[in-house]
Amino acid sequence: AQSVTQLDSHVSVSEGTPVLLRCNYSSSYSPSLFWYVQHPNKGLQLLLKYTSAATLVKGINGFEAEFKKSETSFHLTKPSAHMSDAAEYFCVVSAYAGNNRKLIWGLGTSLAVNP
Amino acid sequence: DGGITQSPKYLFRKEGQNVTLSCEQNLNHDAMYWYRQDPGQGLRLIYYSQIVNDFQKGDIAEGYSVSREKKESFPLTVTSAQKNPTAFYLCASSISSRRFFGNQPQHFGDGTRLSIL
Repeated sequence: AQSVTQLDSHVSVSEGTPVLLRCNYSSSYSPSLFWYVQHPNKGLQLLLKYTSAATLVKGINGFEAEFKKSETSFHLTKPSAHMSDAAEYFCVVSAYAGNNRKLIWGLGTSLAVNP
Repeated sequence: DGGITQSPKYLFRKEGQNVTLSCEQNLNHDAMYWYRQDPGQGLRLIYYSQIVNDFQKGDIAEGYSVSREKKESFPLTVTSAQKNPTAFYLCASSISSRRFFGNQPQHFGDGTRLSIL
């Protein structure tokens, strides 16, 4: 069965320090993987997407993620956190369910950035 | 600017009442989706539509209904049969042709927060 696990429900960092948000997935097929960000009371915005091209994917706002098939991971990183990065982050895997692909959402990681 | 507009931003429902949440997109996307978001949970799919005049149940369709009479519009009705409707509702769309359905990024509206009076 396909699944996605975000390993931390809450992450707290200081402004200017690196960010690491961890995501593991399970998929029988070559998956497509996404990271989305949600600011309070807002919709979600796509940060980046992996679809079997380069394993290191660069996204918006300085975020990037590396697809590691051997570890079934797709962790999100940023070298230096900014106050505006405080938000909820969702890891999503697109995997086959019958004849269709289906998006499977992680439960989210809340990122706090301290001054 | 192209995007997805959800209205209203806040909505209150009385007992036994049906309410309809609006979702309009001007991105010329084929596929549209409705999600429910509860605190501490990921997004759960209510209904989706790959093309006009066609829609499919998602994981939690009970107590909800939709229509897709126009490409731009995908309204969601929360019926009185939905006993726990208090949640944040998100509408999304994607380019998706049927072949690549589910593999395209989704664009989201800013949501409607529904509460019970």
